[in-house]
Amino acid sequence: DAKTTQPPSMDCAEGRAANLPCNHSTISGNEYVYWYRQIHSQGPQYIIHGLKNNETNEMASLIITEDRKSSTLILPHATLRDTAVYYCIVTSTGNQFYFGTGTSLTVIP
Amino acid sequence: SQTIHQWPATLVQPVGSPLSLECTVEGTSNPNLYWYRQAAGRGLQLLFYSVGIGQISSEVPQNLSASRPQDRQFILSSKKLLLSDSGFYLCAWSVRVRAGQPQHFGDGTRLSIL
Repeated sequence: DAKTTQPPSMDCAEGRAANLPCNHSTISGNEYVYWYRQIHSQGPQYIIHGLKNNETNEMASLIITEDRKSSTLILPHATLRDTAVYYCIVTSTGNQFYFGTGTSLTVIP
Repeated sequence: SQTIHQWPATLVQPVGSPLSLECTVEGTSNPNLYWYRQAAGRGLQLLFYSVGIGQISSEVPQNLSASRPQDRQFILSSKKLLLSDSGFYLCAWSVRVRAGQPQHFGDGTRLSIL
C-alpha cells in the first residue's frame, strides 16, 4: 500500500473551511484514498473515500488531484466539534488500513 | 443500519491475568472483522483480521490471539497479559470482498495493565 504524508498539526478558525492535505505520490491505480477522524478516546470515524473523482457527502469534500498523487479533505464550515486527529489512508485490499499519526486539527473559536 | 458493539469500555487488569474482549456486529452478514491497537500518542496498529468464521490472519506476532466463533462475533484474547499490552483496542468491520469499502470502528476498549 502507498505511504501517505500529512502535516502533524493545523489550526482553523471556527466557521472557516478546513483544508487538510495528504501526499500519496506512490499511489497505484487500484488504490482508494480514505479519510477518517478520531476524537480523543473514541474510535475512528469514517468520513469519505474516493478513487479518482472528487467526492462530497454531508460531512466533507474530497479533492483528488488529476495525477492522484495528493488529495485534500475539505470541511466547509469548521466547528469546535471538528477538532480531532484526521487520518489519510491509501489502500487497495480493504484488509490493510494502516493508520499513521495523522493531522491534529484544532478549530479555534 | 449496521452497528458495532465492543465491551467493556474500560478494563484494568493485573500483569499475568487472562483477557477476553468481545466485539459484535449487527445489521450485516459475512463482514470482514478487524482488531487494532493504539498505544498512547501513536497511530493504529492492525493486529488481526478475519474474512470468515474460524479464519484469522495475524499481522503482528505477540501475546494476543483472536477467534471468530460466529459470523458477527470477534474475540481478542490473551492467556497472560504483559505490561506492554496496555492500550486502546478497537474492533472494526467492513463489507467483504468488494473493493473500495471503508472500515467502520467501534468505540474501543481502554485496557490498563497494572
